[in-house]
Amino acid sequence: GQNIDQPTEMTATEGAIVQINCTYQTSGFNGLFWYQQHAGEAPTFLSYNVLDGLEEKGRFSSFLSRSKGYSYLLLKELQMKDSASYLCAVLDSNYQLIWGAGTKLIIKP
Amino acid sequence: ETGVTQTPRHLVMGMTNKKSLKCEQHLGHNAMYWYKQSAKKPLELMFVYSLEERVENNSVPSRFSPECPNSSHLFLHLHTLQPEDSALYLCASSQAHDRVSGELFFGEGSRLTVL
Repeated sequence: GQNIDQPTEMTATEGAIVQINCTYQTSGFNGLFWYQQHAGEAPTFLSYNVLDGLEEKGRFSSFLSRSKGYSYLLLKELQMKDSASYLCAVLDSNYQLIWGAGTKLIIKP
Repeated sequence: ETGVTQTPRHLVMGMTNKKSLKCEQHLGHNAMYWYKQSAKKPLELMFVYSLEERVENNSVPSRFSPECPNSSHLFLHLHTLQPEDSALYLCASSQAHDRVSGELFFGEGSRLTVL
């Protein structure tokens, strides 16, 4: 079966750096997505990786290793507003999105 | 504001009621989706419409009935639901149901409680 694993919850301190990992086992691979979802709000697109390596976008970076079935989302200079759930999703060979259960990130002052 | 609007935001219904969820997108997209989100579970794809035709139905119980009258509107008709159907129902749209369909634009969801 297809599977996406990510930690259920993480805690970090304001101003620090946090890395949220995602491992996947899917039928084929057409890209990996990260979404951010604040409580009570819509998920919003953060990043898309289809080639190995690091994609940087401001304070957020996303890394992909296809051979390891592994990705991480790196958040720098954490702010209180970064408290949210972060969803990892893989586009499989049928162009279906396979979702992880999400990682709830709690930022403490 | 994501360009996808869902109503109602909250809905409480009994198991014998009939209600509908509405979704409208203002982005000019041609694919629309219904997802179910339950606590601590992955998003579950329910229905996909591309160019107003249903292209996927992931074995959803018949008590959920989708309707897509045009590319901007999507409905989810609900009848004789069960308490386990209580969840957040998310609507999403994308430019096309193809290789770039992973970039979805979501509405804020309709929180459904079935008593």
